Amino acid sequence: QKEVEQNSGPLSVPEGAIASLNCTYSDRVSQSFFWYRQYSGKSPELIMSIYSNGDKEDGRFTAQLNKASQYVSLLIRDSQPSDSATYLCAVTTGGYQKVTFGTGTKLQVIP
Amino acid sequence: GAGVSQTPSNKVTEKGKYVELRCDPISGHTALYWYRQSLGQGPEFLIYFQGTGAADDSGLPNDRFFAVRPEGSVSTLKIQRTERGDSAVYLCASSLFRNGYTGELFFGEGSRLTVL
Repeated sequence: QKEVEQNSGPLSVPEGAIASLNCTYSDRVSQSFFWYRQYSGKSPELIMSIYSNGDKEDGRFTAQLNKASQYVSLLIRDSQPSDSATYLCAVTTGGYQKVTFGTGTKLQVIP
Repeated sequence: GAGVSQTPSNKVTEKGKYVELRCDPISGHTALYWYRQSLGQGPEFLIYFQGTGAADDSGLPNDRFFAVRPEGSVSTLKIQRTERGDSAVYLCASSLFRNGYTGELFFGEGSRLTVL
């Protein structure tokens, strides 16, 4: 079982719709959870971090964490073509400091 | 500089050669990470430094790979006897360590390694 699992996609949504990206993780003691965005040919950039159960909102982005289900998600409201990218879920594993990434979900926002 | 700096941005080498990749983190960031990313894959963890010491090197694939951070700032990833399978983008990231947590990583632009 992979430590961090994501559907590779592509996930296609029309402009203005809500995009929902999902991630599961295997390490029950994971404490910190992150979403990174990676444009083609570029490096990952952090867009959201979440540390406790529930929802965290930042602009058009909402991260959701459920530690009991070992599940973290990212919602993007009012999706824009500029949101088209690969979204990487990252989790601290093996303690508090090692950061493990999933394979990423490719999002395509159709104008 | 303001961001994480990686050199070289591109490196082409022949199978069997030795390669060094350098990372200069954001000033004041005590945590430094190396990852390797192949096309269509997520970043693969290699090693993590807290200060000068390697806190976790469990991701180094074999003993051809070695990394150092002698003064707690700049780090060098060293690959001996390169193989074609080592071809990838090598990403460096740095992070503040606060309240017992890291993970908010700031990445450099990467070093693309091609082994012919």
